[in-house]
Amino acid sequence: AQKITQTQPGMFVQEKEAVTLDCTYDTSDQSYGLFWYKQPSSGEMIFLIYQGSYDEQNATEGRYSLNFQKARKSANLVISASQLGDSAMYFCAMRGGGTASKLTFGTGTRLQVTL
Amino acid sequence: DAGVTQSPTHLIKTRGQQVTLRCSPKSGHDTVSWYQQALGQGPQFIFQYYEEEERQRGNFPDRFSGHQFPNYSSELNVNALLLGDSALYLCASSLVYGEQYFGPGTRLTVT
Repeated sequence: AQKITQTQPGMFVQEKEAVTLDCTYDTSDQSYGLFWYKQPSSGEMIFLIYQGSYDEQNATEGRYSLNFQKARKSANLVISASQLGDSAMYFCAMRGGGTASKLTFGTGTRLQVTL
Repeated sequence: DAGVTQSPTHLIKTRGQQVTLRCSPKSGHDTVSWYQQALGQGPQFIFQYYEEEERQRGNFPDRFSGHQFPNYSSELNVNALLLGDSALYLCASSLVYGEQYFGPGTRLTVT
């Protein structure tokens, strides 16, 4: 079974500052993928960044980077230079290995960017 | 290039009724997954369709069923609706092992 834990129900960050959203995971699979999605109030899940379990480099996508620490089973999302439009729910998710392609999500973190 | 589309956007049903939700995948995608997101929760996997067959299923009762058509579009059917079925229903499309792209969701309210 796979499990994603997000322990921060809500976070505040000032505009232009960096923020880290925490995610820990549990799986017995050797091969897996970790994802972060953004969900604005409109409801659509927007893909942000992906990290494979065998990737040696931390993933980066523009202002998003994923701090992957395999031994600690953590996959934290770092958003640099926060913008007001970053205010949303953020979900960490995992896809298992083998033929299992379903995503298992955490409970999410609500990020509020302030002036 | 059209993304994933879902219909309807919002729906209100009464307990005991049946509902059908529809999803059209992103162009080129052949796999459709359905998720239920209750208020304040993360999405929960319902099932996935590939080549018109249910490929994977989450921990949902048989009241939840689906279908995939030859053009890869998909339907989610829920019978004997319960108040607890009120949620945002998200459809995601992908290639069979690829990244999942989500639609805007259908918000179902059961009264």
